[in-house]
Amino acid sequence: DVKVTQSSRYLVKRTGEKVFLECVQDMDHENMFWYRQDPGLGLRLIYFSYDVKMKEKGDIPEGYSVSREKKERFSLILESASTNQTSMYLCASSFYSPNTPEQYFGPGTRLTVT
Amino acid sequence: AQSVTQPDIHITVSEGASLELRCNYSYGATPYLFWYVQSPGQGLQLLLKYFSGDTLVQGIKGFEAEFKRSQSSFNLRKPSVHWSDAAEYFCAVGAGTGGFKTIFGAGTRLFVKA
Repeated sequence: DVKVTQSSRYLVKRTGEKVFLECVQDMDHENMFWYRQDPGLGLRLIYFSYDVKMKEKGDIPEGYSVSREKKERFSLILESASTNQTSMYLCASSFYSPNTPEQYFGPGTRLTVT
Repeated sequence: AQSVTQPDIHITVSEGASLELRCNYSYGATPYLFWYVQSPGQGLQLLLKYFSGDTLVQGIKGFEAEFKRSQSSFNLRKPSVHWSDAAEYFCAVGAGTGGFKTIFGAGTRLFVKA
């Protein structure tokens, strides 16, 4: 079974702190994604990566950055956390293939910024 | 632009009753279509997917979905709902080559009453 793990299930940070969310997948997937999930808005793509050291902005990249130094690991960074970044963050991965584009998700990190 | 609409924010059904969750999409070509389920506090799990071929697809947990090109719809159905089906359901359309991007609907929360 594909496994996508996220470093924390719950996180509480203060405004202005630098926050790291880490994601690891064990299926040798090329693609990795970071989403945030808010009630009534579904999932919104923050950043994605299709290869090591490659990254592309998603729909809401402002206030976030990412890092992919190894194929299995994709980190989301909040340089200076703000209260409007309180949300559920979901990591996902998939093969780089038009035949198997389904994504596999981690359990999520619920981040609260106070 | 590609989009996915789930017109029902929440639905309540009785245990044992049938279920249909609606999904409409907007996409220029033949889309990849997915249904995912999210149990409380968890990440998303793939229920089923459609790429081509038979327009009625079977998924896990007894779910099925039917692709109707003329209506731009991909509705999810289950003949008899169990209490454990209470969750949030997301319809999604795959866009871009290489499986880069998936666009999610806002979700439909299913409540099951005894």
